[in-house]
Amino acid sequence: GAVVSQHPSWVICKSGTSVKIECRSLDFQATTMFWYRQFPKQSLMLMATSNEGSKATYEQGVEKDKFLINHASLTLSTLTVTSAHPEDSSFYICSAAPSQYFGPGTRLLVL
Amino acid sequence: GDSVTQMEGPVTLSEEAFLTINCTYTATGYPSLFWYVQYPGEGLQLLLKATKADDKGSNKGFEATYRKETTSFHLEKGSVQVSDSAVYFCALNSGYALNFGKGTSLLVTP
Repeated sequence: GAVVSQHPSWVICKSGTSVKIECRSLDFQATTMFWYRQFPKQSLMLMATSNEGSKATYEQGVEKDKFLINHASLTLSTLTVTSAHPEDSSFYICSAAPSQYFGPGTRLLVL
Repeated sequence: GDSVTQMEGPVTLSEEAFLTINCTYTATGYPSLFWYVQYPGEGLQLLLKATKADDKGSNKGFEATYRKETTSFHLEKGSVQVSDSAVYFCALNSGYALNFGKGTSLLVTP
């Protein structure tokens, strides 16, 4: 099936720094990618929809200035967590439309 | 809006027992339905899916049938193994991003 990759798989950073997470569709083009967040022992919550060549659409309660999304090509979307704080520690997962396959996720720990 | 409700866990079963994890949905259109599995510390893996009423998705011994009349997509397996221990998520897609249930943790003991 369609493959979606994410990088990095793990990241530990200090509070106040910014972290960039990449999501790539490896064998297909994706005009739309989705970013989800999963807190421990909870379900996945959609954060935003990333559209190639246009601005991302954010879900209610997600700060667009904190979670910057760039979808510069048909195979790459990036999520940048700006000025990260410990409460941003979570598992971030992307998927790419039309595929229902997910990336392996990025575990972020902010100290 | 569209939503998914799945049974609360955790579910603990002995090896070779029969598994059912209930999932019901609410949707305005005709969504596609999915089951995903998440092993500890890992991402999501698509387990099976169904795109229209009466479709049966199946994979690795797991099955689920899209029941429009009961708006359900229950996951079943006839004989679980220890390696099936994981969290299972029911999800629907009505043309947008996936909408997930809260997940059901399954523990299979030897």
